[in-house]
Amino acid sequence: KAGVTQTPRYLIKTRGQQVTLSCSPISGHRSVSWYQQTPGQGLQFLFEYFSETQRNKGNFPGRFSGRQFSNSRSEMNVSTLELGDSALYLCASSLQGPSDTQYFGPGTRLTVL
Amino acid sequence: AQSVTQPDIHITVSEGASLELRCNYSYGATPYLFWYVQSPGQGLQLLLKYFSGDTLVQGIKGFEAEFKRSQSSFNLRKPSVHWSDAAEYFCAALNTNAGKSTFGDGTTLTVKP
Repeated sequence: KAGVTQTPRYLIKTRGQQVTLSCSPISGHRSVSWYQQTPGQGLQFLFEYFSETQRNKGNFPGRFSGRQFSNSRSEMNVSTLELGDSALYLCASSLQGPSDTQYFGPGTRLTVL
Repeated sequence: AQSVTQPDIHITVSEGASLELRCNYSYGATPYLFWYVQSPGQGLQLLLKYFSGDTLVQGIKGFEAEFKRSQSSFNLRKPSVHWSDAAEYFCAALNTNAGKSTFGDGTTLTVKP
């Protein structure tokens, strides 16, 4: 069974731009969660999608948004990028939600210049 | 607010020696607790999880963890460390009501030959 895939793996943007990151979950998994990992703040929960609906949300500004498609693939969008948005963005998929085993993708490394 | 503390930022052990990584949580009820491992350039991999029941949990790669309610701790142990165990380890707690996971800051494990 293929694992969680994230595209692109690396991304360089400039301040003010927007970016879209993609996550393809393991087949059959309906829950996708997104996390931001930075040296200063560690791993922080962004949001979780289940059956195309945002079910839970972390404490991030509205510039961070996401969506999930009918095939459970998910995208995350960050608008008006700031230097502090530079991070490793991880997505994780699970069958029904985060209490199930979450399988993480390798992440997308975003650098904002 | 829920919090997870990993007191040790960095631990060095000799190959073959035993290992204990500490984790303390702060939460009103018993949360779901997890230990993950992250190798450089990779996503997180679940080692083990605790929801309820037996307080000693067995995981993959020879790891185990013990939940101690009185100490609000969930320490990870391994009787004999292998060089391939060198990585960063994260303890996490899931607030099932809010569907949000809180991660500790991680402990980097170095294994000496």
